[in-house]
Amino acid sequence: NAGVTQTPKFQVLKTGQSMTLQCAQDMNHEYMSWYRQDPGMGLRLIHYSVGAGITDQGEVPNGYNVSRSTTEDFPLRLLSAAPSQTSVYFCASSINRASHYEQYFGPGTRLTVT
Amino acid sequence: AQSVTQPDIHITVSEGASLELRCNYSYGATPYLFWYVQSPGQGLQLLLKYFSGDTLVQGIKGFEAEFKRSQSSFNLRKPSVHWSDAAEYFCAVAERSSYKLIFGSGTRLLVRP
Repeated sequence: NAGVTQTPKFQVLKTGQSMTLQCAQDMNHEYMSWYRQDPGMGLRLIHYSVGAGITDQGEVPNGYNVSRSTTEDFPLRLLSAAPSQTSVYFCASSINRASHYEQYFGPGTRLTVT
Repeated sequence: AQSVTQPDIHITVSEGASLELRCNYSYGATPYLFWYVQSPGQGLQLLLKYFSGDTLVQGIKGFEAEFKRSQSSFNLRKPSVHWSDAAEYFCAVAERSSYKLIFGSGTRLLVRP
């Protein structure tokens, strides 16, 4: 198993550009989530999904969209990038709703918005 | 408001010395409690978790943590630190009725040779 994979590893955007961060897992996990990590702030939940077709907002959802058309994939879309979205983004998954906290993390995407 | 506090931003210990990383939480009821480790350039890995029962829990890599209800704390300990333990450590909590995992701000551990 590859586990949780994220692409790209690094990305630089100009303000106002849009892009999609990709996340995939091959463990047949029901629960997937996106976090952003900023210095001194730990990880903050952006969006999460408890299964294909079901998504919900986390702590900091503004400026981000998600969809979950398959169990494997959970892309994160930045609609109009802003410098405040400069961060490291982590995707995570877990087996199911009952064990959402036992999460497997991807390696992260470092995003810079200029 | 619900919160997780890790009061130490950085901690430096000598290799072979003991380690204790502090974590305090503020929740209405006892949440689920976790410690994660993040090595440089990597994602997070679960070290250990507490749900209920024995308040001293054992994790991977020789770590343990003790839940103290009276102090709302869940401190991480290791008797003898190895150079490979240098990393950032995150305490996290989850409400028993919620999906949301709330992380502390992290403690960076440096290990002196």
